[in-house]
Amino acid sequence: QVQLVQSGSEVKKPGASVKVSCKASGYIFSTYAMSWVRQAPGQGLEWMGWINTNTGNATYAQGFKGRFVFSLDTSVSTAYLQISSLKAEDTAVYYCARADLGYDFLTGYHKAWFDPWGQGTLVTVSS
Amino acid sequence: QSVLTQPPSVSAAPGQKVTISCSGSSSDIGINFVSWYQQLPGTAPKLLIYEDNKRPSGIPDRFSGSKSGTSATLDITGLQTGDEADYYCGTWDSSLSVVVFGGGTKLSVL
Repeated sequence: QVQLVQSGSEVKKPGASVKVSCKASGYIFSTYAMSWVRQAPGQGLEWMGWINTNTGNATYAQGFKGRFVFSLDTSVSTAYLQISSLKAEDTAVYYCARADLGYDFLTGYHKAWFDPWGQGTLVTVSS
Repeated sequence: QSVLTQPPSVSAAPGQKVTISCSGSSSDIGINFVSWYQQLPGTAPKLLIYEDNKRPSGIPDRFSGSKSGTSATLDITGLQTGDEADYYCGTWDSSLSVVVFGGGTKLSVL
């Protein structure tokens, strides 16, 4: 079955870096984009952006440009999220999600849906 | 503050029907497909509806989606206690070129 398995929880000090992994299985990795979504404690979902698993080209939502980097290792069907210069406000659960993103020429609509999601990785930033 | 507006909470009795609304604008819901997600307590979100009204394999037909203009709706019939969760709508925002989510709606099955 299609599955995304993320790395375990992390506790980091402010200013440090963290790298979260997301290993895909059950499908051909390069046939879907991968997105990252943040959920701060008690809050809703916030889309961080996506990475093209064919080209490695990453697109970041406003607010996630600069300290956040998406990358891939296609040889092991794994996507990564690296966050540098961590701040307390980066404390959140980070999800990877297989993404179907694109423009439907028949309807003129953009589609954007996510299935499945990884189990989430809690990153805690605290001194 | 989320781009898409959802009621913070809804409630209904077991066996009843509940409707969750998601209000957007002409640059998001009005011109793009909507998806819906269920997040059970302590778990990752799960896709319930995509492209406004399609259900992925394994999602029961108690869950249905619709859209009219700049608003979308998720209907859940035959409510079960196991449906207690947070529900999120999402879509593409063509003016910002980003995916936007609603703030989420907490469903209580009383």
